[in-house]
Amino acid sequence: QSVLTQPPSASGTPGHSVTISCSGSSSNIGSNTVNWYQHLPGTAPKLLMYSNNQRPSGVPDRFSGSKSGTSASLAISGLQSEDEADYYCAAWDDSLNGHYVFGTGTKVTVL
Amino acid sequence: QVQLQESGPGLVKPSETLSLTCTVSGGSINSFFWSWIRQPPGKGLEWIGYIYYSGSTNYNPSLKSRVTISIDTSKSQFSLKLNSVTTADTAVYYCARSMAARLYSYGMGVWGQGTTVTVSS
Repeated sequence: QSVLTQPPSASGTPGHSVTISCSGSSSNIGSNTVNWYQHLPGTAPKLLMYSNNQRPSGVPDRFSGSKSGTSASLAISGLQSEDEADYYCAAWDDSLNGHYVFGTGTKVTVL
Repeated sequence: QVQLQESGPGLVKPSETLSLTCTVSGGSINSFFWSWIRQPPGKGLEWIGYIYYSGSTNYNPSLKSRVTISIDTSKSQFSLKLNSVTTADTAVYYCARSMAARLYSYGMGVWGQGTTVTVSS
């Protein structure tokens, strides 16, 4: 059972925006940075955001990340059909000698 | 650019050991953190563990008693062994490389395509 909680689904129309939340605790998001992954079925997950708000090379600036306290968010602006995917937050968790945890995942649908 | 490729049996019997190998090409295995992640059917991503190129490891507490990750730098490969498997271990298994050479907290920036492992008699 994941310790990072995300809404199961989110949706938006093309050109509009959608925001995904990720709720954690003091041992993970509260004390470590957050990463976000995009996962299209049948493909390898892709690192979308690291260190809360840093985009790896090649990730469009339509994607932005933020963190406050024990929660984080991923915002997608100018929604495009190819953004339809599963999105996972993730962070290092300092409990139990330290380990990496993924969020529960959010399915984004472009209407 | 670096590429990762998982390999191993697609079918494992209950109570036996699941063994997978990830071959690294286009880059050196002699730095970075090397990880295994899995996704059971209809479920989310689950982190299994990592090995640093130097050999130090860290595992998911829920799997720690059954997991071993090892590295063979001479072959540019790292491996996963999961023993005493059950049907709950059926999943797509991914290998991945850390985004940063010395920081695991930056996440995993390079992934293999994944391999499906089914546990069934």
